[in-house]
Amino acid sequence: GENVEQHPSTLSVQEGDSAVIKCTYSDSASNYFPWYKQELGKRPQLIIDIRSNVGEKKDQRIAVTLNKTAKHFSLHITETQPEDSAVYFCAAKREGAGGTSYGKLTFGQGTILTVHP
Amino acid sequence: KAGVTQTPRYLIKTRGQQVTLSCSPISGHRSVSWYQQTPGQGLQFLFEYFSETQRNKGNFPGRFSGRQFSNSRSEMNVSTLELGDSALYLCASSPIFRGRYEQYFGPGTRLTVT
Repeated sequence: GENVEQHPSTLSVQEGDSAVIKCTYSDSASNYFPWYKQELGKRPQLIIDIRSNVGEKKDQRIAVTLNKTAKHFSLHITETQPEDSAVYFCAAKREGAGGTSYGKLTFGQGTILTVHP
Repeated sequence: KAGVTQTPRYLIKTRGQQVTLSCSPISGHRSVSWYQQTPGQGLQFLFEYFSETQRNKGNFPGRFSGRQFSNSRSEMNVSTLELGDSALYLCASSPIFRGRYEQYFGPGTRLTVT
């Protein structure tokens, strides 16, 4: 089955710096890669996702890049703010056409991001 | 639209009992997935339901079961509770429509087994 490795497990940055979290996946058939942010005591929130037909996607201060050949994808947060502090999870899934689902959403172990003011 | 809702939010049960958790997806979403979140194991997939049918199942024992109703609401049941079942149980709904597979999580049910 799919295996997702996420690094680093903890990341500490100063406000205004950039943060990068990296994930690798094992199943070359995976084609959907979401990122979730989970604040303490709250639900995971989808912050950005990318599909395998796209190499990069941006949304304001966050961006995700995908390298299908190397089977890794990364989350980039620029101009970090204290409110970015949370646990970030990457995930991978294989989706088929017409809603056919071939596999579960497999999560990485999470990265605790701390942004110091 | 209202988000994914889960009831109850907190639950305390005794070892050996059974429990039923409920999840109401976002209106129009047809798929519901369940996950177990623990500090040691992270987010583990339990099962996924679509149109009242279980499409995928994770590596959990048969004590964990679920179902989905015609209105897409879903329930999961855990029988013969064990101490290790203490966790946050999250459900997530997905549109599964026109190529939209993103999953949106509910607030979770915190289950404590004593």
